[in-house]
Amino acid sequence: QVQLQQSGPGLVKPSQTLSLTCAISGDSVSNNGATWNWIRQSPSRGLEWLARTYYRSKWNYDYAVSVKSRVTINPDTSKNQFSLHLNSVTPEDTAVYYCARDPAYSPGWTRNAFDIWGQGTMVTVSS
Amino acid sequence: IQLTQSPSTLSAFVGDRVTITCRASQTIDGWLAWYQQKPGKAPNLLMYKASILESGVPSRFSGSGSGTEFTLSISSLQPDDFATYYCQHYNDLSWTFGQGTKVEIK
Repeated sequence: QVQLQQSGPGLVKPSQTLSLTCAISGDSVSNNGATWNWIRQSPSRGLEWLARTYYRSKWNYDYAVSVKSRVTINPDTSKNQFSLHLNSVTPEDTAVYYCARDPAYSPGWTRNAFDIWGQGTMVTVSS
Repeated sequence: IQLTQSPSTLSAFVGDRVTITCRASQTIDGWLAWYQQKPGKAPNLLMYKASILESGVPSRFSGSGSGTEFTLSISSLQPDDFATYYCQHYNDLSWTFGQGTKVEIK
């Protein structure tokens, strides 16, 4: 049974960096068919995909245009986890942050849907 | 591409058949998924590729559609189905969600 366990602070000061980690059990961050994602949810912005990483002979990274200049996603194969770093945060970054898996669908394709989610982390940006 | 769900809120009785619509701002391919979310929980995948039922999801859920209009139907609403439902689309390295439809008890 695949599970994702999130960790990280719930309060971040404006202009600082938001950092969250998602530990994977029952699957591997190096899974050659899946992708590993961060998604956030707020009343004002709804559900918003932020970033993904995946391994296909090498590590790949994709970011949402809305946060591309501020966001980094990093896999950690030694701990079987991946992390999100969002810098220069403002109160608009206040949201529940989720990690999620997009599993394989067919050779070369994922489902482009998220079947396993972390429990969510409420992050508030405030001084 | 923007996704617009209708209605925003739906009131129904247990046993009713309900349908939620997701309209895209332009023609999309079949990469359309549906999720159920309950308060304080992460979304739960119901359908992907517009009409493929996720493993473990009850067969009273079904999905259909093409072009710009897609639907999620629940054949006989159960008490556990009162929740908020979201559609989601993938296109060109962008995963977009609808604004949600809240299904309430009538």
